[in-house]
Formats: sequence, structure tokens, C-alpha cells
Amino acid sequence: GAVVSQHPSWVICKSGTSVKIECRSLDFQATTMFWYRQFPKQSLMLMATSNEGSKATYEQGVEKDKFLINHASLTLSTLTVTSAHPEDSSFYICSAFGTGATDTQYFGPGTRLTVL
Amino acid sequence: KQEVTQIPAALSVPEGENLVLNCSFTDSAIYNLQWFRQDPGKGLTSLLLIQSSQREQTSGRLNASLDKSSGRSTLYIAASQPGDSATYLCAVKEGTYKYIFGTGTRLKVLA
Repeated sequence: GAVVSQHPSWVICKSGTSVKIECRSLDFQATTMFWYRQFPKQSLMLMATSNEGSKATYEQGVEKDKFLINHASLTLSTLTVTSAHPEDSSFYICSAFGTGATDTQYFGPGTRLTVL
Repeated sequence: KQEVTQIPAALSVPEGENLVLNCSFTDSAIYNLQWFRQDPGKGLTSLLLIQSSQREQTSGRLNASLDKSSGRSTLYIAASQPGDSATYLCAVKEGTYKYIFGTGTRLKVLA
């Protein structure tokens, strides 16, 4: 099956700094990727849809200036949490559909962000 | 606005029991429904995907059913094992790409 990787798997940063999380499709091209966040013992909440070569589409209530998304190639999307604060601490998961395959989502292993 | 709810929120059963996890959604206009498994601190593993035109899907000890008109899906796990312990999430697909996730059921199978 298709593989999606994320890097880093966990990160700890100081409040006020920015953190970049990478999401890569390893063996397929992903025209569209998705970023979710998950608080402890809660479900996944879609943050934004990342489209290769165009601006991301953000869900209602998600600050696009705080969560910068770049999808510069068919295999890489990045999420940058700018000026991170403790309330941004969460589990961030990306997913992707391959080109021509829009039924099954492939999820990355997630990135645990802790902001001190 | 689509809302997806899962019942129960948590479940603890002895090994060997058959069990049913429930998922309900408020808008029946869905493309498909997918069941996932999530281990603590990990990403999601797809278990079963049911297209809107299908009634059920089976994989090994797992069987998922879909009643779109009533907005319900069930995941049946036969002969549960300790290795089945995880959080189970259902998600409905709206539009071309968007998935809405349920609240999850945390399952613990006791040896």
C-alpha cells in the first residue's frame, strides 16, 4: 500500500518559536494532502487541505497565518506552526490521496508537538 | 453540518467476545465511510472502506455494515483478542476529498 511519512515524529519547542512539520508521500504522487490535529483522547479535526501548486484551503476557525501550509511538490507538504504557544501542543497528522485514487486515505504516523 | 458520533466512547471486554462498535452520522449524503484503527500515539490504519452503494465489507474477523438512509454504520469484531486493543474511528467522506471523523471508541480487550 501507499506510504506517507512525517518528520519529525516528535518535537519540543519553546513558546514563540516556529516549527515545521513535513509530510511526504513515499511511493506515489499526492496532488492533495490534508492536515489534521488531534487533542488527547479526542478525534481528528481537519485543519486544512493542501493542494499542490496552489494555496491551501483552511477549515473554519483555523488561523491560516498561524498554520502555514506549503505544498510545493507532488510528494511534499509542510505545515509550519508560527509563534507556537502551549495551546498549540497537539498531535498533527497528515494524509493523502494519490493521483487517480480518491477513495482510500493514507495517513502519516503523526507528529507530537509540545510547546513549553 | 455533518456530525459523526461513535458509541460507546470506551469499551472493555474479555478476550474471545464478539463485539459491535457503532457509528452514526447526521447527513446521509456521503460518498463512503471508512473505519480506522489508531494505536496510542500513532497514526491511523485503514481497516475497512464501504462505498455509499454498498451494505457491508468484510476483512478477516472484521465486518462493517452501512445503512446510509438511517445514518448508521457498525463495526463487528469477532473473537476479540488483546491485540485488538486500540481506538477505533469511523469517518464519512463528503464531497471529493473531505473526511469527517467520529469521536472514536477506545477498546480494551482483557487477556
